[in-house]
Amino acid sequence: NAGVMQNPRHLVRRRGQEARLRCSPVKGHSHVYWYRQLPEEGLKFMVYLQKENIIDESGMPKERFSAEFPKEGPSILRIQQVVRGDSAAYFCASSPVGEGNQPQHFGDGTRLSIL
Amino acid sequence: DAKTTQPPSMDCAEGRAANLPCNHSTISGNEYVYWYRQIHSQGPQYIIHGLKNNETNEMASLIITEDRKSSTLILPHATLRDTAVYYCIVRVAGSGNTPLVFGKGTRLSVIA
Repeated sequence: NAGVMQNPRHLVRRRGQEARLRCSPVKGHSHVYWYRQLPEEGLKFMVYLQKENIIDESGMPKERFSAEFPKEGPSILRIQQVVRGDSAAYFCASSPVGEGNQPQHFGDGTRLSIL
Repeated sequence: DAKTTQPPSMDCAEGRAANLPCNHSTISGNEYVYWYRQIHSQGPQYIIHGLKNNETNEMASLIITEDRKSSTLILPHATLRDTAVYYCIVRVAGSGNTPLVFGKGTRLSVIA
């Protein structure tokens, strides 16, 4: 998983707090994707962003979740007023500009635990 | 929903070839077949992808049937470090990038 950096690796929050997850894509990649993996389940797509634009957020809950990928700096997935059900591993992936068959490369995720 | 079907689990002896099947009978002409694996506590790792020709890289070989309705990922000499969940994914390729749709995958256990 060289290249995509996620931090923190582990994050503990109490119910009602905010969680911020950061993702730095592979250098030169301008497409970022966020996925969520609930315990013992497969990965589910949440949101796809390009620099300063949300392209597809069809997998993201309408309430409390937001994502951004600013011109400078990492992509941020923000979860407000966290609840127990938000406990999961959140993975970020990136891919370069170009033909649509470019593979996505993943980071090692942030494991969010809600107390 | 995932457009692929994979066996839930497989075992393979260390040093032998691991052949992981995948059915994708509804694949469209513009969809690629991708393989990823996820080792415990890590993010998914890209392995290989192909459209209709067989592909090989340093990690694995991908064999796609002529009708493209199924494929096989081959790890030629499996090691204990290849123990992971392997995901077969079909994905539309085109002018933009599209998200990956993960199914349940195949849990491969390499046994010493």
